[in-house]
This record gives sequence, C-alpha cells and structure tokens, in this order.
Amino acid sequence: EIVLTQSPATLSLSPGERATLSCRASQSVSSYLAWYQQKPGQAPRLLIYDASNRATGIPARFSGSGSGTDFTLTISSLEPEDFAVYYCQQRSNWPSYTFGQGTKLEIK
Amino acid sequence: QVQLQESGPGLVKPSETLSLTCTVSGGSISSYYWSWIRQPAGKGLEWIGRIYTSGSTNYNPSLKSRVTMSVDTSKNQFSLKLSSVTAADTAVYYCARAHPQNDGNFDYWGQGTLVTVSS
Repeated sequence: EIVLTQSPATLSLSPGERATLSCRASQSVSSYLAWYQQKPGQAPRLLIYDASNRATGIPARFSGSGSGTDFTLTISSLEPEDFAVYYCQQRSNWPSYTFGQGTKLEIK
Repeated sequence: QVQLQESGPGLVKPSETLSLTCTVSGGSISSYYWSWIRQPAGKGLEWIGRIYTSGSTNYNPSLKSRVTMSVDTSKNQFSLKLSSVTAADTAVYYCARAHPQNDGNFDYWGQGTLVTVSS
C-alpha cells in the first residue's frame, strides 16, 4: 500500500498570505495525485486532480504541482473560506486508493 | 446538478451487518464508478470500494472479506454491506462518484451519514 505523508500537520496563517502544503508518497504515484478540501461537517471537495489540474469551479488561487513522490498544493492568497483541512489522495496504486492524514489550515 | 444522498441505520450492533444505500439524483447512475469512503471522527479518509454500473466491483484489500456492494440502475441507487462490524467501523460513511476517464478522482460526494457500532 502506498502511504501518503502530509506536512505540516497544522499550518497557521493569516488571510492574504500564501499557503504551501506538502504531500509525500512512499513510492512513485506518477501524476495520479489529487487534493481535497474539507470543512467541518461537510464532505470533501475535489480541488486538484492529476497533480496540477483544477477541478470544475475551483478558483485560480489554488494550484498543484509535483510528480513521482513529492507534491505541493499552493494557495496564492488566502481567503477566509480557505481555512479547512486538506487531504491528498493517490489513484496510482490499484486496487486501493489511499489518502494522506490531512493538513489543518488554521487562522493565525 | 448531481446529488448523492446516503441512507441507512445510524446504529448497528457489534457482529452485525452495516447496510447503507446511496441515491443519485440530478443525473444518471450509468457509466460512472461509485465508491464508498469512510471517516472515523477526527481522523482521515479510507476508501472502502467501488462499483461500476455494470455491477463490477473492486474492494479495499483490508476490508475485502467483509464488503459487498451492489447497484440498482432502475432506482439510481447503489449499496454497501459491511459484515461483522466492530467499534472500529464507527465512522461517517460517504458515497462518491468518479468518471471512468478520471477513475479515482471523486468529483461528487454525498453529505455523509454517521454509523455508530454499539450494543
């Protein structure tokens, strides 16, 4: 099973600042990595798929990069609604999809 | 707008079978992969398995011996059965959709339903 390790566990920033979240895979997942945002009491929402493609309706301030084992989600300028938990997820290693443990982005 | 809605008992006794149904509205269930994903309170996400509208299934190896999924295209529904449950199966259960060309990217999710395993 491919293990995804996200860092940091918690990131404290202020609105307007740039956020950089990391996801590292225990073995290569090529570009088959997605990012999700989850707010309290809500289902996750797909933000980025295949490492760098924004899902439908996702603002341009969200961007993804990386390939192989190291991936980054960047939020260029934080809006108040961006404070949430973010998960990475791989779809490379069939027959099991796996998620990272999450990064909580909190208001400083 | 596609919507997914989970339904089923919120409380299941240990050793019994958890049964949930996901109803898809605002679009056809056909030609997509439909997954179940769960999340224990305060923890991360675990993919349970998926079913295609043909009835073909794939399950997480860690749960495979206890999971059964089925689909009813006439009702636009698919279902999950998880047998021999324990307290470790207590979680919010989500149903989610993936397009075959983006298999494994979950673009629509249900709101989730909490299932508690307790006597």
